[in-house]
Amino acid sequence: EDQVTQSPEALRLQEGESSSLNCSYTVSGLRGLFWYRQDPGKGPEFLFTLYSAGEEKEKERLKATLTKKESFLHITAPKPEDSATYLCAVRAQGNTPLVFGKGTRLSVIA
Amino acid sequence: EPEVTQTPSHQVTQMGQEVILRCVPISNHLYFYWYRQILGQKVEFLVSFYNNEISEKSEIFDDQFSVERPDGSNFTLKIRSTKLEDSAMYFCASSGRPRGTFNEKLFFGSGTQLSVL
Repeated sequence: EDQVTQSPEALRLQEGESSSLNCSYTVSGLRGLFWYRQDPGKGPEFLFTLYSAGEEKEKERLKATLTKKESFLHITAPKPEDSATYLCAVRAQGNTPLVFGKGTRLSVIA
Repeated sequence: EPEVTQTPSHQVTQMGQEVILRCVPISNHLYFYWYRQILGQKVEFLVSFYNNEISEKSEIFDDQFSVERPDGSNFTLKIRSTKLEDSAMYFCASSGRPRGTFNEKLFFGSGTQLSVL
């Protein structure tokens, strides 16, 4: 069974304090690993898709990386507006539906 | 920027009643999805829809659920006889590319919070 585990469940950072969120996955043949941002009461907002180990993608203060077993979302010098829940999801071979992790709830304090 | 629109934002219903959740996907998208998120739980896949038919559904999507694209813009999820455990946030999503293709992006709506009493 395809599984996605995110850690930590919650993370509290001071503004400017860089950190990383982890997404460990077990899938039968990865077809894509997706990162989404979810604000309270809103739907997930697409951030990145990664397809193969070694791939990296960046957007503003966020950088996503991928290995054969996990992905990291690095947040550099975060601001309070980066506070949100960050979701990781994987798609396995056979174009199966996205399987989501529970997310990491990030709070950035000014 | 184009967005997926869902109505209503909140729906309260009595157990056993029928509800219809509505979605307007992004206009040039062809692939449509419903997901749900029970409070504190993961986002879960319900159903995917393409070319006016269901392409895949999960175990959650039993005979009480149905989807329809009644016209060129709306995409609906009907729950025929709601149960307490149907209480969740329901998200509609759409994509302009087939599932699993390169650069696929799923765009989600803001959701409908369904409360079954």
